[in-house]
Amino acid sequence: GENVEQHPSTLSVQEGDSAVIKCTYSDSASNYFPWYKQELGKRPQLIIDIRSNVGEKKDQRIAVTLNKTAKHFSLHITETQPEDSAVYFCAANSGYSTLTFGKGTMLLVSP
Amino acid sequence: GAGVSQSPSNKVTEKGKDVELRCDPISGHTALYWYRQSLGQGLEFLIYFQGNSAPDKSGLPSDRFSAERTGGSVSTLTIQRTQQEDSAVYLCASSLHRTGAGETQYFGPGTRLLVL
Repeated sequence: GENVEQHPSTLSVQEGDSAVIKCTYSDSASNYFPWYKQELGKRPQLIIDIRSNVGEKKDQRIAVTLNKTAKHFSLHITETQPEDSAVYFCAANSGYSTLTFGKGTMLLVSP
Repeated sequence: GAGVSQSPSNKVTEKGKDVELRCDPISGHTALYWYRQSLGQGLEFLIYFQGNSAPDKSGLPSDRFSAERTGGSVSTLTIQRTQQEDSAVYLCASSLHRTGAGETQYFGPGTRLLVL
C-alpha cells in the first residue's frame, strides 16, 4: 500500500517569511495529492491539490509542486501570516478509493 | 449547504463500555470515510464506504471496531469493549465520488472520545 512521509514535523517562521513542507510517497500509481490545513480544534480543510498531469499549481500565496520521478511533492506558502499557523497534512491517493495522509506539520508563524 | 456533521461532539466513557459514533455526510455524496486522529498524530484510515459496494475495512485496528452505513447515507462507527488506547478524535469525511478519481474529501468536526 501507499506510504507517505512528511517533513518537518514542526516549522517556526517569522511573519512574512516563506514556509516549505515536503512529502514523499511510495506508490508510483498515485496520481492525486491534496493538502489539508487543520486549525486547533477544527476540522481538516482542503487548501490546494495537484494531479499528476501537472508539475505545479498556485493559488495566491500557496503553491504545490510535484516531482513524479522522485515521488515527492511540496507545499510552499509565501508571505506567511499569523493566521497561517495550523497543522498541515499532505496526502496521496491509495488505489482508486482512499487517501493516505502524512503525519502532519505544525506551522507556527510569529508576528 | 450543510456540511458533514458528526455526533456526539464529545464522548466520555468507561473502559469496557461500547460506544456509537454517528456521521451524516453531505447529501448526495456516495463515498464516506472514517479516520482516527490521536494526539499529535496524523489521520489514520479506518474504513471506507462507496455506494452499495462492500466497505473497505482494511484500516480497522481490531475486531472491536465495526461500522455500517444505512441507505447509503448516515454511518455509525461502533467500538465495543472500549480501551484507553481508543481515546482519540474520530473524524468522518465524505466525497461526491471516490477520492481516487480526485474528488475532494470534506471532513466533519469529529467526535472526541475519552475512555477512562
